Amino acid sequence: DVKVTQSSRYLVKRTGEKVFLECVQDMDHENMFWYRQDPGLGLRLIYFSYDVKMKEKGDIPEGYSVSREKKERFSLILESASTNQTSMYLCASSLYRTGGYTEAFFGQGTRLTVV
Amino acid sequence: EDQVTQSPEALRLQEGESSSLNCSYTVSGLRGLFWYRQDPGKGPEFLFTLYSAGEEKEKERLKATLTKKESFLHITAPKPEDSATYLCAPLRSNYQLIWGAGTKLIIKP
Repeated sequence: DVKVTQSSRYLVKRTGEKVFLECVQDMDHENMFWYRQDPGLGLRLIYFSYDVKMKEKGDIPEGYSVSREKKERFSLILESASTNQTSMYLCASSLYRTGGYTEAFFGQGTRLTVV
Repeated sequence: EDQVTQSPEALRLQEGESSSLNCSYTVSGLRGLFWYRQDPGKGPEFLFTLYSAGEEKEKERLKATLTKKESFLHITAPKPEDSATYLCAPLRSNYQLIWGAGTKLIIKP
């Protein structure tokens, strides 16, 4: 059974803290993604990675960075957390297909509150 | 600018009452469209991919269709376990998804 695991379901952090969100997948997928989901808005792509040590900016990368040192692990870093980064964060992975796109598998999400 | 709109925002149905959810989009160079289901407190779960206008896909009580400007998710004789938020996501020319805000479906027994 495919699995994407996010390290925390709930997090509360203070403004200005450095925050790490971890994601691990066991499906040997090449692609990994970080999204945030806010009420009334669709999922918005923060960053994605198509290979180890490779990363691409999504639609809203400001205030975030990522790290992918191993194929199965993709980390999202909030360099200095702010209250407007309070959100649900979703990690996903998908199989690479040349000239195409395959469905993504999502983790359970991390609900981050910045106070 | 690429856009996607889902309607209605919320839909309450009685068990067995069929209906449709709409996903309207303006996406240049559309490569396909994905439907996902999301239960409260969980990540989205893949349902369908449609690649060309006229295509249809079915799974149990759900059927997805695609035209050049919109997609429909038809739900036939729904059950309470079909209650969830349904998300559509057109695939742009750069192979990135653009997500709708979803339709929250509630099926009453």
